[in-house]
Amino acid sequence: DGGITQSPKYLFRKEGQNVTLSCEQNLNHDAMYWYRQDPGQGLRLIYYSQIVNDFQKGDIAEGYSVSREKKESFPLTVTSAQKNPTAFYLCASSPGRGYNSPLHFGNGTRLTVT
Amino acid sequence: AQSVAQPEDQVNVAEGNPLTVKCTYSVSGNPYLFWYVQYPNRGLQFLLKYITGDNLVKGSYGFEAEFNKSQTSFHLKKPSALVSDSALYFCAVRASYNTDKLIFGTGTRLQVFP
Repeated sequence: DGGITQSPKYLFRKEGQNVTLSCEQNLNHDAMYWYRQDPGQGLRLIYYSQIVNDFQKGDIAEGYSVSREKKESFPLTVTSAQKNPTAFYLCASSPGRGYNSPLHFGNGTRLTVT
Repeated sequence: AQSVAQPEDQVNVAEGNPLTVKCTYSVSGNPYLFWYVQYPNRGLQFLLKYITGDNLVKGSYGFEAEFNKSQTSFHLKKPSALVSDSALYFCAVRASYNTDKLIFGTGTRLQVFP
């Protein structure tokens, strides 16, 4: 079955360490997205990419970085510059620009930084 | 800028009763609206969308939503609630005409009591 795989499901890191969250899709979608979810705040967009080798900042990009070297992969690095990294991170994909298609989501990675 | 508001943090309903989860939006141009559901520690699942046409949109699991342009609302409804409908529900609006990027509301927790 086609879908989005996020790994790992749970991730624990010490403060000051960078950590990379994996997101892979086999839906042949052009666009991919990273959202952060915090209780009571809904989902906030971190970065998105509409095509390979190109990506744009979302609303809360500070302290994060991404790459899009392959169509199926969009890893997110949470750097030590991110002041409050503990959150639930969701990756999503869609066919592309303006097709009115819903986003398809992975099952998320819960990151805890202590 | 596009935005959505979900005025209720939680909605409680008895099993078998009708349910409504409220959403209002603010957009420039035509609204493209979506509802998603999230179960604990999982990603979001698409329920339904409004792009154009009939104001009553039918979706998955017996859910429907009513688009009201004059009230800028897109409320989610179900005629008869199930305990298994208990989850977190998000309303979303597409950010702009040339992208599938979504802006999400803060979510409403639906609790259905037996």
